Amino acid sequence: KNQVEQSPQSLIILEGKNCTLQCNYTVSPFSNLRWYKQDTGRGPVSLTIMTFSENTKSNGRYTATLDADTKQSSLHITASQLSDSASYICVVTPEEGGYNKLIFGAGTRLAVHP
Amino acid sequence: GAVVSQHPSWVICKSGTSVKIECRSLDFQATTMFWYRQFPKQSLMLMATSNEGSKATYEQGVEKDKFLINHASLTLSTLTVTSAHPEDSSFYICSARRPLPDSEAFFGQGTRLTVV
Repeated sequence: KNQVEQSPQSLIILEGKNCTLQCNYTVSPFSNLRWYKQDTGRGPVSLTIMTFSENTKSNGRYTATLDADTKQSSLHITASQLSDSASYICVVTPEEGGYNKLIFGAGTRLAVHP
Repeated sequence: GAVVSQHPSWVICKSGTSVKIECRSLDFQATTMFWYRQFPKQSLMLMATSNEGSKATYEQGVEKDKFLINHASLTLSTLTVTSAHPEDSSFYICSARRPLPDSEAFFGQGTRLTVV
């Protein structure tokens, strides 16, 4: 069964610190893996998108990595800011499916405290 | 990035009434739009896929007569929750997909529905 699991479920860090969020997936083969940021009460916003052949993708303070062999991805946030408080969702698109086949992780809820 | 606008952002309605939620792609034509439902602290669950000019495709377990979807134009899809009940209270999110070869999808800001 295609699944995407994220850890930790929630995380609290102090402003200015770095953190890394994990995503393990069983979707195979897959077209791409995305990381989204979802603020409370808002829709998800794309941070990064990687195909199976890419190892890393950066977007400002956000850096995503992908290891297709171990089926793991991580999202690293550097120099966290209060505005980084949100849920971060890992989403995998199976190769045989279109956008209606997106497999969503449950997300990691990040809280950045001053 | 592209803009997808969802309206309203929140709505409170009485049990038994119907509620319409709009999803608009503001700067591109979306041949396909998707409707999701999200319960607190849970992942997005796909409800249906709507294609412009044709009937929506509903996921298993989603009542098509309760959640009416209309995709009458390339920039607008609507979700109508008919005869709403408290258990329909949830966060509804739409996404719109840009045409080929791009095909990237963008999410609306979501609609918080509370049925009292």
